[in-house]
Amino acid sequence: GAGVSQSPSNKVTEKGKDVELRCDPISGHTALYWYRQSLGQGLEFLIYFQGNSAPDKSGLPSDRFSAERTGGSVSTLTIQRTQQEDSAVYLCASIPGLITDTQYFGPGTRLTVL
Amino acid sequence: AQKVTQAQTEISVVEKEDVTLDCVYETRDTTYYLFWYKQPPSGELVFLIRRNSFDEQNEISGRYSWNFQKSTSSFNFTITASQVVDSAVYFCALSEYGSSNTGKLIFGQGTTLQVKP
Repeated sequence: GAGVSQSPSNKVTEKGKDVELRCDPISGHTALYWYRQSLGQGLEFLIYFQGNSAPDKSGLPSDRFSAERTGGSVSTLTIQRTQQEDSAVYLCASIPGLITDTQYFGPGTRLTVL
Repeated sequence: AQKVTQAQTEISVVEKEDVTLDCVYETRDTTYYLFWYKQPPSGELVFLIRRNSFDEQNEISGRYSWNFQKSTSSFNFTITASQVVDSAVYFCALSEYGSSNTGKLIFGQGTTLQVKP
């Protein structure tokens, strides 16, 4: 079946603008994670959703970052007033439901802030 | 605190050589999982293996094998008879289930493997 999909695949924006990144998890998967991959910091956890709630937002780097999930499916990661240090690949992963399940990742969104 | 260390930043081998990628982890939990993911040039993270902390049996899958040793907190990955298609960045990751109820992954810095023809 279809895997995790993310859009857009690439996003170039100007410093100070807001951006929205989208994640479509595997159908039926109830839990979803966002990670960020940057040259300086490697792969970092951002936020975890179980259903529509986010019990762990501990990885969000600042209050400019927020995420929501609606209908227990699609998730949107929003970055307000983007900064150059936000440039990274943003990855989404989903699991069927148990936190012990294996996470399957989408192709990522490459964000470049000029 | 939890941590994953992949000391080898880059490895270069010639095709058909065997290569081992090292992974050392730190955790206070007794219940955890360890993972290896492959990231080819296309960028997508591809799941390779998952082991739980109660299962120290080594595993072999084709040319891939994994050696899990709790005594040394290591989870090393060996590719036998490497091929050019094995060229990628490989990530080791840890997920704790004793103190954490989210299953978030803590990644190592990754090892870039280049297999030359």
